[in-house]
Amino acid sequence: EAQVTQNPRYLITVTGKKLTVTCSQNMNHEYMSWYRQDPGLGLRQIYYSMNVEVTDKGDVPEGYKVSRKEKRNFPLILESPSPNQTSLYFCASSFGQGEYEQYFGPGTRLTVT
Amino acid sequence: QKEVEQNSGPLSVPEGAIASLNCTYSDRGSQSFFWYRQYSGKSPELIMSIYSNGDKEDGRFTAQLNKASQYVSLLIRDSQPSDSATYLCAVSGAGKSTFGDGTTLTVKP
Repeated sequence: EAQVTQNPRYLITVTGKKLTVTCSQNMNHEYMSWYRQDPGLGLRQIYYSMNVEVTDKGDVPEGYKVSRKEKRNFPLILESPSPNQTSLYFCASSFGQGEYEQYFGPGTRLTVT
Repeated sequence: QKEVEQNSGPLSVPEGAIASLNCTYSDRGSQSFFWYRQYSGKSPELIMSIYSNGDKEDGRFTAQLNKASQYVSLLIRDSQPSDSATYLCAVSGAGKSTFGDGTTLTVKP
């Protein structure tokens, strides 16, 4: 089954404790992206990657890191999480950037206390 | 001004009516336009994509694009209770994707 998976689905952590949210797709997509969704602010793009080893900042990259060492994986790293990073995070992938539909993962609900 | 703005909701229509969702965008270089549907607690899923001026129809859904006015709309004909969800307008160009805040639609039986 073609899908985007994220882990963990739910995470409660404390300020400053480094964490990684994994994202994997099995559709051989070149483009992958991370979003956060907050009430009243909609979906905002954090980082995107157009191919292996090619990443770029979205609209809200501060406090996040990403890497794209393999085509299928695009982990999101929070090196020192803060409470304002409490949010619902979505990973998405598509065949390419721009004109292609994005397929979203199930989401990761992160709470930072 | 937000890059992508959607008509404020929530929007409520009776079953069988036409629901009209609107979206404006600020970047004239935008090339691709999408409507996603998001049920509560779920991830967004594509409803329609549109790339050139005019109308595009798919079943009960019609997307309309007017690049001169920087305007995208989605019409849902014969609305069903199962259409109750949040609809997200998305605009893409140069690698980035920008989403509107969404419009929540409720279809009342």
